[in-house]
This record gives sequence, C-alpha cells and structure tokens, in this order.
Amino acid sequence: RKEVEQDPGPFNVPEGATVAFNCTYSNSASQSFFWYRQDCRKEPKLLMSVYSSGNEDGRFTAQLNRASQYISLLIRDSKLSDSATYLCVVNGDNNDMRFGAGTRLTVKP
Amino acid sequence: GAGVSQTPSNKVTEKGKYVELRCDPISGHTALYWYRQSLGQGPEFLIYFQGTGAADDSGLPNDRFFAVRPEGSVSTLKIQRTERGDSAVYLCASSPVGGAGYTFGSGTRLTVV
Repeated sequence: RKEVEQDPGPFNVPEGATVAFNCTYSNSASQSFFWYRQDCRKEPKLLMSVYSSGNEDGRFTAQLNRASQYISLLIRDSKLSDSATYLCVVNGDNNDMRFGAGTRLTVKP
Repeated sequence: GAGVSQTPSNKVTEKGKYVELRCDPISGHTALYWYRQSLGQGPEFLIYFQGTGAADDSGLPNDRFFAVRPEGSVSTLKIQRTERGDSAVYLCASSPVGGAGYTFGSGTRLTVV
C-alpha cells in the first residue's frame, strides 16, 4: 500500500464550481499534513497546512480526520487559475515529507 | 539567496556516465531534502539531511545514488553508471526545521540517453 494515496483525476469542472479532493495516508503516527499545488513543469508550492480542527484560506478549506487517516481539500468558486495538480503531503517517521501522486484539476470557462 | 537554487536546470547524459546535481538551500535552513519526480507522478522521497548528516536515506533506490552535504548548506546528489530509468526531474527542498512546510527549487531535469 502506498504511504499517501490520492484519486489521480483528472477533475474537469466549470468555473464557479465547488470541487473536493481526498487523500488517505497509512502512517498513523504522522503529525504534519499539507496540500501543495504544482503547475505544469514547475516545482510544487505550499498551498496550505492542514490542522486537526480544519482550516480555511479564502476559497480553500482543508479537513483532517485522524481516526480515518483521511485528508480533504475543498475549493469553492473555482477559477481558471486553479487549474493545476494538487499534492497531498504527510510527514514520515523521520519528519521527511511523503507525497501523493497528485490530483489533476482543470477548470474550464 | 532568496530561494532554493538547483543547477544545472537541465542535464542530458549518456547511459553509464556519472552525474552530479547541486542544490543550494535557503540560507539558514537546516533541513534539506531530495526528491525525484517522474511524469504523472508525485515527488518520490530520496534522502533527507538535518545539518550535515543524512537523517533518512531510505528512499535512495540503489547504491548508484549517493548524496552529501559536507558543510550543512549546499548538497550534491551523485548518480553513478546512469541508466535510462534514472531520467526524471530531481527536486531539492529546504525548510527551517524538519517537518515544516518546504520550499522547493525549480529542479534539475535529467535525461539519460
């Protein structure tokens, strides 16, 4: 089983739609969780950290369910500029980060 | 510098050759990470340095891969006897402490022909 699993998509949504991505992780001892965004042929960039109580940053909401080892990212009112690959990231045993394969999102006019 | 710098940005080498990839982290960042990313995949962990020492090298695929960080700043990833399957983007990242959000460099695209 992979350490971090994501639905690869692609998700194709119209502008203004709400879209949700899910991620599961296998290491129950993990303590740090993040979502990264990666544009085509660019490096990943931190989108937001994920906190136990859930957190919001503008149109983006992240949720964590430790019991189910599940993380989610919700994007409201999608913009064309949201088109990218979204990577779920979980820390490993030595505090290094383990990445999912990413979920590809395309927002269409 | 202001960000993580990786050189070269592109490297084409012949099968069987030796290559070195360089990473210059953000000044003061003690943690440094190497990842490898193939097309359509997420970054695959290779090795993590805390200061000068490798805190976790469990991701190195085999003994052809080696990385050093002798002074706790710049790191070099070394690949011996390159194979076509080594072709990928090699990403370096740094963070102020291990486990915090990283900053990535723009990567080195390695092509083995």
